[in-house]
Amino acid sequence: AQSVTQLGSHVSVSEGALVLLRCNYSSSVPPYLFWYVQYPNQGLQLLLKYTTGATLVKGINGFEAEFKKSETSFHLTKPSAHMSDAAEYFCAVSLTSYDKVIFGPGTSLSVIP
Amino acid sequence: DVKVTQSSRYLVKRTGEKVFLECVQDMDHENMFWYRQDPGLGLRLIYFSYDVKMKEKGDIPEGYSVSREKKERFSLILESASTNQTSMYLCASWIGQGASTDTQYFGPGTRLTVL
Repeated sequence: AQSVTQLGSHVSVSEGALVLLRCNYSSSVPPYLFWYVQYPNQGLQLLLKYTTGATLVKGINGFEAEFKKSETSFHLTKPSAHMSDAAEYFCAVSLTSYDKVIFGPGTSLSVIP
Repeated sequence: DVKVTQSSRYLVKRTGEKVFLECVQDMDHENMFWYRQDPGLGLRLIYFSYDVKMKEKGDIPEGYSVSREKKERFSLILESASTNQTSMYLCASWIGQGASTDTQYFGPGTRLTVL
């Protein structure tokens, strides 16, 4: 069975600092991996996704994530945090592009001025 | 752009009431989903539908039912609301099998409080 863990339910960074949100998954086959962002009082929005090919994936708003099969990880990074990045971030996995998606518990990111 | 709308942003109901949550998508997507979101648990799939009049149980279907009479509309029904169903409910739609480059699109959510 697939599962997703996100280390740290709350992460705080200073404005301009590196953002690192951790995600590890378990899957019996190479998975499809996603990062979603949820701003306050809104639904989820796709940040980026990995399906096949290049393991470094670039998304919207300057975020990127790297698929590391040996570590079963898909950590999300951004070189310089902005106040507008404060939100809840969810890592998710599925076996195929049309399979049901399993979400992690989420990480709340705070950005300190 | 795909648009997924949910009938209410906030809803307050009493224990034992029958509750309907409506979701409409405007992009002719085949697949629609209902999730509930709770702090520390992420999103958990309640039910999903691959086509009109078709439904599949997700991970936590107990206490819920769904209806999909038209392709664009997917309703979540709480037959007899209970306080442990107080949660944020998110609807999503997805174009369907074979769309390897697409993803799920989410509505803004309905925050349901059961008193």
